[in-house]
Amino acid sequence: DGGITQSPKYLFRKEGQNVTLSCEQNLNHDAMYWYRQDPGQGLRLIYYSQIVNDFQKGDIAEGYSVSREKKESFPLTVTSAQKNPTAFYLCASSINIGSRGTQYFGPGTRLLVL
Amino acid sequence: AQSVTQPDIHITVSEGASLELRCNYSYGATPYLFWYVQSPGQGLQLLLKYFSGDTLVQGIKGFEAEFKRSQSSFNLRKPSVHWSDAAEYFCAVVLNTGNQFYFGTGTSLTVIP
Repeated sequence: DGGITQSPKYLFRKEGQNVTLSCEQNLNHDAMYWYRQDPGQGLRLIYYSQIVNDFQKGDIAEGYSVSREKKESFPLTVTSAQKNPTAFYLCASSINIGSRGTQYFGPGTRLLVL
Repeated sequence: AQSVTQPDIHITVSEGASLELRCNYSYGATPYLFWYVQSPGQGLQLLLKYFSGDTLVQGIKGFEAEFKRSQSSFNLRKPSVHWSDAAEYFCAVVLNTGNQFYFGTGTSLTVIP
C-alpha cells in the first residue's frame, strides 16, 4: 500500500525536552510538508521541502527544525524553544512543489506536554 | 490580505438532507481549489479539486463542488447526507504562481439521525 505514515500516534514532551516526529512516504513524492493544527485555526505550515537536502520555513517555523536526508523521510523536531507545542501535527507530501501538486496527508501525531 | 474563508464554523443537518459548505477566497487570480475531509483524530483526505475547465467537479463519497469566479467561491455540496459524513471539512487554495497551500479554518459537520 502506498501512503504516508506518521509515528508515534501520541507523543508526550517534558519541559525542556526536544522530541522528534517521524514522517515516511512511499509515494515517490519529491515534496513534503509539516503542518500544525490547533482547534479553530485550521492548518498552519511549519516547514516544507522540495527536494532532498533542501527545506524552507513556513509561516510558524520558530521552535521547530527539520531534515531531509532521504526522499522518503522528513522528520520534525519540536525543540524546547517551542513554548506551546501541544497540537496535532500533520505531515503531507506531493509529487512536486508546483501549484498542481495535490497534497496527501498522513494520519497525524498528537503532541502533549506533561 | 489574501485569505481563504469558511464562514460556517459548525453546521448541523439531518441525515438524508442536502448539504452545502461555503468557501470563499480573496486572491487576485483564480487559484487552484481543493476540498479535504478530516475524521476525528485522523489526517486529511482529498475529496475533490479544481484546476480548470468544467466549473462543476465531482469528487469521492458523492460530493461535488462548483467554482464561481464572479463570487470567488468554491462551495461543496452533497444531495443527501449520510451519518458517516460527520467530520471536519477544509477548503484549500494554491496560487497558480505559487507553491504553498492556504487552508480555511474548517467547518465541522454534525449529522442528526
